[in-house]
Amino acid sequence: DVKVTQSSRYLVKRTGEKVFLECVQDMDHENMFWYRQDPGLGLRLIYFSYDVKMKEKGDIPEGYSVSREKKERFSLILESASTNQTSMYLCASSPSFRALWDEQFFGPGTRLTVL
Amino acid sequence: KQEVTQIPAALSVPEGENLVLNCSFTDSAIYNLQWFRQDPGKGLTSLLLIQSSQREQTSGRLNASLDKSSGRSTLYIAASQPGDSATYLCAVGGRGSTLGRLYFGRGTQLTVWP
Repeated sequence: DVKVTQSSRYLVKRTGEKVFLECVQDMDHENMFWYRQDPGLGLRLIYFSYDVKMKEKGDIPEGYSVSREKKERFSLILESASTNQTSMYLCASSPSFRALWDEQFFGPGTRLTVL
Repeated sequence: KQEVTQIPAALSVPEGENLVLNCSFTDSAIYNLQWFRQDPGKGLTSLLLIQSSQREQTSGRLNASLDKSSGRSTLYIAASQPGDSATYLCAVGGRGSTLGRLYFGRGTQLTVWP
């Protein structure tokens, strides 16, 4: 079974702090994704990566950055956390854009609260 | 930009009913379509993936169909159970410059009562 793990289930941070959210997958997937999910807005793509050290902006990249130094790990960074970044953050991975069966698998999510 | 709509937004049914959840999308040039389940406060669980060349996929009591030309997919749940209570999300895979990206609907919140 594909397993996507996220470093924390719940996280509470203060405004202005630098926040790191970590995601690890164990299926040698090329693609990894970061989403946020908010009531009434659904899932929105923040960033994705299709290879080590490669990244692409999603729909809402402002206020975030990402890092992918190893294939299995994709980090989301909030450079200076703000209250409007309080949300559920979901990481996902999929085999490859070239794969016939490019199914996305999700982690359990991190509920981030910024005070 | 691809827009995905799910109807109804919420559904409450007694145990044992057969259900149909609907998903529509505005751009028929899709790579695939994926149905997910999400329990409260949890991540998404992949239920079914349909390739753009396929018409349907089945897994246990679940059957998903795809009509690309009309921009529609349905998820059929047979003999519903209380354990099926969750939010069901439809997501459409992009092509070309958006290959690999998924565009999500807002979901249908399903409650199955005993």
